[in-house]
Amino acid sequence: AQSVAQPEDQVNVAEGNPLTVKCTYSVSGNPYLFWYVQYPNRGLQFLLKYITGDNLVKGSYGFEAEFNKSQTSFHLKKPSALVSDSALYFCAVRDKHTGRRALTFGSGTRLQVQP
Amino acid sequence: NAGVMQNPRHLVRRRGQEARLRCSPMKGHSHVYWYRQLPEEGLKFMVYLQKENIIDESGMPKERFSAEFPKEGPSILRIQQVVRGDSAAYFCASSRSSTTGGTNEKLFFGSGTQLSVL
Repeated sequence: AQSVAQPEDQVNVAEGNPLTVKCTYSVSGNPYLFWYVQYPNRGLQFLLKYITGDNLVKGSYGFEAEFNKSQTSFHLKKPSALVSDSALYFCAVRDKHTGRRALTFGSGTRLQVQP
Repeated sequence: NAGVMQNPRHLVRRRGQEARLRCSPMKGHSHVYWYRQLPEEGLKFMVYLQKENIIDESGMPKERFSAEFPKEGPSILRIQQVVRGDSAAYFCASSRSSTTGGTNEKLFFGSGTQLSVL
């Protein structure tokens, strides 16, 4: 079975400060890992993914995430937050070695960036 | 290049009625996924389809829910005899066919259908 945990319901950060949104995963094999962002009344938008290779993945809008196999984590980071980054962020996982293609999503973390 | 199109955006049904939600994947995509999002919760996987085939329906409730993705036309998620607990946002996503890994793993989501059951 595959699962994702996002331990924080909400993260508050001041504009210009660095932000981190946490994600840990569980799969029986090796993971494909993803971050998506959801703005109000919209579908999810892809931010970045880890498939293989470098543990540090860079994505859209200045976001990056680091794959840490020993800690089974894939935390989302940005060096300097913008008010426009305020949204709902979802981490997702898929096990590379099962036949199941569907992603399993975490419960989401609401990011609030204060001006 | 149009994205994933879902309609209607909002659907209101009374208890006991049927709800039909439509999803047209992106051009060139033959994999469709349906997810349900309850208020203040994450997305729960429902079903994964390819053209004319249901590949994984492990997230579908055993009764009242069905899905199809015909050779021609959109994918349909059908909910019979709706109850208040079916009220949620239903999202469709699509991805390319072919092998796994790389860009083929990226899901493109529609804007969702908000189902309200009175």
